[in-house]
Amino acid sequence: NAGVTQTPKFRVLKTGQSMTLLCAQDMNHEYMYWYRQDPGMGLRLIHYSVGEGTTAKGEVPDGYNVSRLKKQNFLLGLESAAPSQTSVYFCASSYGSNTEAFFGQGTRLTVV
Amino acid sequence: GENVEQHPSTLSVQEGDSAVIKCTYSDSASNYFPWYKQELGKGPQLIIDIRSNVGEKKDQRIAVTLNKTAKHFSLHITETQPEDSAVYFCAASITSGRRALTFGSGTRLQVQP
Repeated sequence: NAGVTQTPKFRVLKTGQSMTLLCAQDMNHEYMYWYRQDPGMGLRLIHYSVGEGTTAKGEVPDGYNVSRLKKQNFLLGLESAAPSQTSVYFCASSYGSNTEAFFGQGTRLTVV
Repeated sequence: GENVEQHPSTLSVQEGDSAVIKCTYSDSASNYFPWYKQELGKGPQLIIDIRSNVGEKKDQRIAVTLNKTAKHFSLHITETQPEDSAVYFCAASITSGRRALTFGSGTRLQVQP
């Protein structure tokens, strides 16, 4: 099993450009999450989904949009990238909210 | 929403010594407390977790304790080894409201050989 796969692994964007980060899981998990990791701030929740077709805002949702059209995929979009969105982005999935979350390898995004 | 504070931010120990990392949480409804280990360039991986109906859990050299009254939980690593060097995160979650893990800010553990 591949677990949680994130695409791409690295990306450099110019301010104002848009992009989509793709997360795919093969564990049939209902819950999926997008976190960002910044030095000294741990992992902060951007958006999450409790099932196909559902999304909800997390702690830091501004500037991001998400979609969960298929159970196995969770997409994170940046419509107009800003330098403040330079970060490492992690996708995760879990069976429920109180069960082990499995993380992808991360996407390192730099906005210049 | 939930707030999780983690201390210390960095911890250096000699190989063979014990390491303790502490976390506090704000929402008394939190009932699941996992600990994750993150190695350089990788995503976090679960190492141990505890639920609110249990006070202590042990897995070989790793143990976690939970004090619901004080709203704090701790990770204990005994007989540390160089491969324990990593960043450790505590987290908390509830089954209502925002149904996702809230993480602490992380502890960078360095085990000196």
